[in-house]
Amino acid sequence: EVQLVESGGGLVQPGGSLRLSCAASGFTVSSNYISWVRQAPGKGLEWVSVIYSSGSTYYADSVKGRFTISRDNSKNTLYLQMNSLRPEDTAVFYCARITTTGAFDSWGQGTLVTVSS
Amino acid sequence: QSVLTQPPSVSGAPGQRVTISCTGSSSNIGAGYDVHWYQQLPGTAPKLLIYGNSDRPSGVPDRFSGSKSGTSASLAITGLQAEDEADYYCQSYDSSLSNYVFGTGTKVTVL
Repeated sequence: EVQLVESGGGLVQPGGSLRLSCAASGFTVSSNYISWVRQAPGKGLEWVSVIYSSGSTYYADSVKGRFTISRDNSKNTLYLQMNSLRPEDTAVFYCARITTTGAFDSWGQGTLVTVSS
Repeated sequence: QSVLTQPPSVSGAPGQRVTISCTGSSSNIGAGYDVHWYQQLPGTAPKLLIYGNSDRPSGVPDRFSGSKSGTSASLAITGLQAEDEADYYCQSYDSSLSNYVFGTGTKVTVL
């Protein structure tokens, strides 16, 4: 069974940093496309970043230069390093697997990041 | 700001049919990229509902159907049930942004 479990969320001050983790089971992270998607309170879904099986990474303009996506193949885990956090980054962050046709077919339960002083 | 536009809300009585539109442009839906749909029940993670414009994952009732034409796509729910009350999002890929994109989201209310 495919499963994704996020962790690492919490309260952080503006300008601070946080690293989110997404532990995968039932499939191999390095052989798949994996993405981070966030949802601000009461708002819609916003794509954040993706790492392809090739290792290529892409980011939304809103986080480019501040967030870094990576993976640890030995731990079958995805990460999102978030620096220079802003209040507008407050959201539930989900990791999701992407199929070859571009559909997000499996999602984690999400982890809440709150940026506030 | 989302590049895929959906109506904020739609509603219908139990048993009725409702449709949700998803309007894009020539760099996403119109460029031939597939459209996928997600259902998000309150307080839960999104769930894939329709993939590849019109295919249903295993376990999704055939009351849900999807279609695509030109720069738009649609999700139809027939035989509306109380359990269908949720937020629905379309999603595709945009070649000019080199990004995956989500729709603005539609809240379905069962009257």
